[in-house]
Amino acid sequence: EPEVTQTPSHQVTQMGQEVILRCVPISNHLYFYWYRQILGQKVEFLVSFYNNEISEKSEIFDDQFSVERPDGSNFTLKIRSTKLEDSAMYFCASSRDSRTGLRQYFGPGTRLTVT
Amino acid sequence: GQQVMQIPQYQHVQEGEDFTTYCNSSTTLSNIQWYKQRPGGHPVFLIQLVKSGEVKKQKRLTFQFGEAKKNSSLHITATQTTDVGTYFCAGPRETSGSRLTFGEGTQLTVNP
Repeated sequence: EPEVTQTPSHQVTQMGQEVILRCVPISNHLYFYWYRQILGQKVEFLVSFYNNEISEKSEIFDDQFSVERPDGSNFTLKIRSTKLEDSAMYFCASSRDSRTGLRQYFGPGTRLTVT
Repeated sequence: GQQVMQIPQYQHVQEGEDFTTYCNSSTTLSNIQWYKQRPGGHPVFLIQLVKSGEVKKQKRLTFQFGEAKKNSSLHITATQTTDVGTYFCAGPRETSGSRLTFGEGTQLTVNP
């Protein structure tokens, strides 16, 4: 089965530092997502991305966050100035297109620890 | 905003017992998806239900989508230790895009 990959698996950073989380979606997928999961809590939507622009974002996705598709394969999430409360698992997901209800394939996640 | 609620939050069963988790949305859903997350793992898609009143089975797992498309359930018959994990329901809003709103999840532990 095709897989979404994410790097790094674990990122430790100091408060105030910038981090970039990287994802390689499934190759023929067009719709990309970032979700986060604070330890022990539910998975929360951050942002969706389609056709080189943000399609939808949640209230969590403030000015400190940005996403980019720098080339034909990578999809990145940047946090400009990390806060302690940004510590979480960050999952990238992709789907074939933008139709509501298409299965989303989740990557293994990046565990971000902000100290 | 849209809320998706799941009960129970935790369920401990003996191997061989049945297990059910219930999911309720504050808004109508175009479809409901179920995911399983093993400890330390990522959400893995199990199934999607689209039609009102739909019932689908996967071996020992039975999934139902309510008539009003606002609630769903997952039932596992004769649990096994491999069923351990957290089960999440998730759905997009009927009138919205494809963002998924996840429930809180039900964490299942199975005692051998």
